[in-house]
Amino acid sequence: DVQLVESGGGLVQPGGSLRLACEGSGFSLSNFGFHWVRQAPGKGLQYISAISNDGAYTYYADSVKGRFTISRDNSKNTVYLQMASLTIDDTAVYYCARGSAGSVVTSFDYWGQGRLVTVSS
Amino acid sequence: DVQLTQSPSFLSASIGDRVTITCRASQDIRRYLAWYQQIPGKAPKLLIYTASTLQSGVPSRFSGSGSGTEFTLTISSLQPEDFATYYCQQLHTYPYTFGQGTKLEIK
Repeated sequence: DVQLVESGGGLVQPGGSLRLACEGSGFSLSNFGFHWVRQAPGKGLQYISAISNDGAYTYYADSVKGRFTISRDNSKNTVYLQMASLTIDDTAVYYCARGSAGSVVTSFDYWGQGRLVTVSS
Repeated sequence: DVQLTQSPSFLSASIGDRVTITCRASQDIRRYLAWYQQIPGKAPKLLIYTASTLQSGVPSRFSGSGSGTEFTLTISSLQPEDFATYYCQQLHTYPYTFGQGTKLEIK
């Protein structure tokens, strides 16, 4: 079965850093692009970052550009989101999601369980 | 960025009802639209992609239609497990934005 299991997150002070990991199983990670989506408490879904299957292409939303870094290690079946210069507005549940197979992504077909990141002093 | 506007934002309905949720895009996204269901405390679940293709394992009471800038998600006969929040997402242009969500509640 396809599974995405997230780890990392937790409580961090404003200005601090944190890393999230998303480990895949039941499929070959190297065949898929991955994405990160976050959801602030009681709010909707916000798209924040993407990485291509080989790591050659990355994308960042304006809200995180220059502060967050997406990466992957296909040998470890894991995608990462390194977050720095965190602010209160970054408080959210962070989800990793697998882009659908093929040359054009048409959906996020599997999602991690989500990890809460709380930025507070 | 492509803006997606869902209507209504809140919907109250009864078991067995037919409901429709609309998603309007601020520009032509062809058929690059997906629908997700989210239960509180859980990750979103893919229901429909490319506007009308049902994801494997999703009940046939869910259907999607539309292209360009206007899309709909229809649930033909509401079941207890369908009361959740629904999101549309465009995958035409980065960032792959989401609608604001439609919360479906039991009447």
